[in-house]
Amino acid sequence: DVVMTQSPLSLPVTLGQPASISCRSSQSLVHGDGNTYLSWFQQRPGQSPRRLIYKVSYRDSGVPDRFSGSGSGTDFTLEISRVEADDVGVYYCAQAIHWPWTFGQGTKVEFK
Amino acid sequence: EVQLVESGGDLVQPGGSLRLSCAASGFTFSSYWMRWVRQAPGKGLESVANIGVDGGDKYYVASVKGRFTISRDNAKNSLYLQMNSLRAEDTAVYYCATANRGSSPQYWGQGTLVTVSS
Repeated sequence: DVVMTQSPLSLPVTLGQPASISCRSSQSLVHGDGNTYLSWFQQRPGQSPRRLIYKVSYRDSGVPDRFSGSGSGTDFTLEISRVEADDVGVYYCAQAIHWPWTFGQGTKVEFK
Repeated sequence: EVQLVESGGDLVQPGGSLRLSCAASGFTFSSYWMRWVRQAPGKGLESVANIGVDGGDKYYVASVKGRFTISRDNAKNSLYLQMNSLRAEDTAVYYCATANRGSSPQYWGQGTLVTVSS
């Protein structure tokens, strides 16, 4: 299985400051169709996961532009330009090219 | 309004069976690949099974292969997961979700809790 490794696993943040989460895959996530199927999910406390970013850098509808994704091949990053109160939760990277589709361990974002 | 509503979660003894259902509304269910994803208490997310738009393509994670069966009924806008020979390690919240990888919105249900314990 493709292993998705996130860092850090815990991220203390300050309101209004930037934050960054790294994700590394054990295999390339570039599909034969040319797309890279790497997504980022947010799971707020007590809620279902919600996709924020698909194909590395495309934001889902309704996702604030303070969230951005970047990367290529096996190394990816989710950045929050200015953390807001409702950004608290667990963030997962996920690959959807090799079955089984796998998620990272999750990064818990909480205020200092 | 888009909705995915799971049901069927329960407390079951090891070796028992359970059938989860997911009722979809507000989008063209028959056009989407669908999936089940689970989350053990306090743990991360794990893909369980995917199914193609007409039910012909099915994929299972190794740990459930031969025990779980994913299916769908497009006429009823419903997704199912038949779970047999349940084990303690199958205890989790089970989410149904669309399995689209591109720009169309991805939808998730609220989850249903399966507890396997004697």
